[in-house]
Amino acid sequence: QKEVEQNSGPLSVPEGAIASLNCTYSDRGSQSFFWYRQYSGKSPELIMFIYSNGDKEDGRFTAQLNKASQYVSLLIRDSQPSDSATYLCAATKNQAGTALIFGKGTTLSVSS
Amino acid sequence: GAVVSQHPSWVICKSGTSVKIECRSLDFQATTMFWYRQFPKQSLMLMATSNEGSKATYEQGVEKDKFLINHASLTLSTLTVTSAHPEDSSFYICSASAPGGVYGYTFGSGTRLTVV
Repeated sequence: QKEVEQNSGPLSVPEGAIASLNCTYSDRGSQSFFWYRQYSGKSPELIMFIYSNGDKEDGRFTAQLNKASQYVSLLIRDSQPSDSATYLCAATKNQAGTALIFGKGTTLSVSS
Repeated sequence: GAVVSQHPSWVICKSGTSVKIECRSLDFQATTMFWYRQFPKQSLMLMATSNEGSKATYEQGVEKDKFLINHASLTLSTLTVTSAHPEDSSFYICSASAPGGVYGYTFGSGTRLTVV
């Protein structure tokens, strides 16, 4: 049973638009949530993390968490072609030594 | 801070040989390290969790005798793929963890293993 679900996409948006990426998780014990960006053949790089319900903004990125609905999202404003990548949602129980569990990732394509 | 170095970045080996991949935390002590495997166009699948000084905990379906993990110090974990076969060809990524903060989710640059 998968614990973290994402639409695989691809999600295509024009340059300058808002890209909305969604993720759901099944384990209510999950405490922390992470969004990673991964370019082909590269290791994931952290975009941002969120622990509390609500929104968290960092530059062009906004993460949203709704624990009641077990839903996490990432908004990318003013999307750029360089944002084209696979975005991985991950969750953890926040216990010492607990690994991140990843979703399959959503491929985003930003056209210029 | 929180840099994880993984080596080698790519390796080609013959079927039946063994390959060792190293993961080092450069500026912090990693009490726990995680090894992931990623097949093309798929997500990162957790293979095992290694704690310094103790045996690794393997995920279901991962052969512990084939994927040997050693975490002998707080800065180094190694993954050895023994008797490699073409189906072991994959992208292997380590992640190092330290108590508290987001250090636990710092990733190495990955190792592309190709078995021919």
